Formats: sequence, structure tokens, C-alpha cells
Amino acid sequence: DIQMTQFPSSLSAFIGDRVTISCRASQSISTGLAWYQQKPGKAPNLLIYDTSNLRGGVPLRFRGSGSGTYFTLTITSLQPEDFATYFCQQADSFPITFGQGTRLEIK
Amino acid sequence: EVRLVQSGAEVKKPGESLKISCKASGYDFRDYWIGWVRQTPAKGLEWMAFFWPGEPDPRYKPAPQGQVTISVDKSINTAYLQWSSLQASDTAIYYCVRGLGYCSDGLCRYLDHWGQGSLVTVSS
Repeated sequence: DIQMTQFPSSLSAFIGDRVTISCRASQSISTGLAWYQQKPGKAPNLLIYDTSNLRGGVPLRFRGSGSGTYFTLTITSLQPEDFATYFCQQADSFPITFGQGTRLEIK
Repeated sequence: EVRLVQSGAEVKKPGESLKISCKASGYDFRDYWIGWVRQTPAKGLEWMAFFWPGEPDPRYKPAPQGQVTISVDKSINTAYLQWSSLQASDTAIYYCVRGLGYCSDGLCRYLDHWGQGSLVTVSS
């Protein structure tokens, strides 16, 4: 199975800040990576697929990049609704695997 | 509007059986992969299995784990996850998920819709 390592595990930032979350795959997954946002008590929500494609309705302040084994999610100008937990997920092959999550908190 | 509506929370004892459901609406059930992901505090999100309802003999790609079976009833657009003998380690929130598109397009493994989750608690 492809292992996904996400870092940092938690992050504090101010509203308006720019933050970057990283995700590393144990082997190359080309651009087969997704990012999800999860708020407490809710299911995860797909934000980005195929490394950099924003799902419809996702604000442009979310940006994904990378290829091969290293990927990043950048959120520019954090808004109050962005404070949540973020997960990466490899979509290159079965079995689908997820990172352990990054909890983004308000400083 | 695409919706995946799951059955409610369950409390079971070790060794008991269980079947949880996920009713899909708002799209053609036969055209998208549907499956299950579970979440626990210890292990995070774990993909379990996927099912392609559009074929006469549905196929699935189970993750290499456990005594769990995925099935679908195409007549009522519903997917199921079933255990024959639950263990305490099966305690988790189980989410029904839909794949974004076709695997041939490289899209099926992106999970674009999720159910609300079904909490399964297994305890003696």
C-alpha cells in the first residue's frame, strides 16, 4: 500500500495568514492526489483533485501543487471558515490511502 | 442534488452481525463507483471497499482487511456494508462515498460525495 505522510500534524495561524500543508507519498503517485477539509462532526469534503484542480465552488484561495511524491496545499488569506482539519489522499491506485490529517487552528 | 443518506448509529456486542446502508439519490446510481471509508481517532481515515453498480455482476476492490462485505441493491439505489462477526476494533464512523468519475479517466478514486456517517460501536 502507498503510505501518505502529512505534516505538520497541527498548525496555528491568524485570520488573513497564508499557510502551507505538505503531504509526501511513499512512492510516486504522479498527480493523483486529493485534498479534503473536515469540520467537527461532519464528513470530509473534497476540495482539490488531481493535485491542483479545484472542485466547483471551492474558493480560489485554496491552491494545490506538486507531483511524484511531494505535494502541498496552500491557503492564502485564511478566513474563519477555513479552520478545520485537512487530509491528503492518494488516488493513483487501489487501495486508496489517506494522510493522518493536519488540524488548522486559530491563533 | 446528489445525496448519500446512511442508516443510523448502532451499538453491538462482539460476535454480532450488522448491516448498514447508504441510499443514493440525485444521480444515476449505475454510473458511479460507490464505497465505504471508515474513521477512527487512532487510525484516521481508512478506505474499505468500492463497488461498480453498473455491471451485471458488481465488482469491488476490497482493502485487505477484515470480515466485511460490500453489496448493492440497484433497484433501490442502496449500498450496504455488512459484518458477519463484529470485533471491538470495528468501532468507527463509517462513511458512504461516491467516486468522482470513471477509473478510465483517472477520476474514480476521488471521493466527491460523502454520506453523513454511521457510528458503529462494538462493546461488550
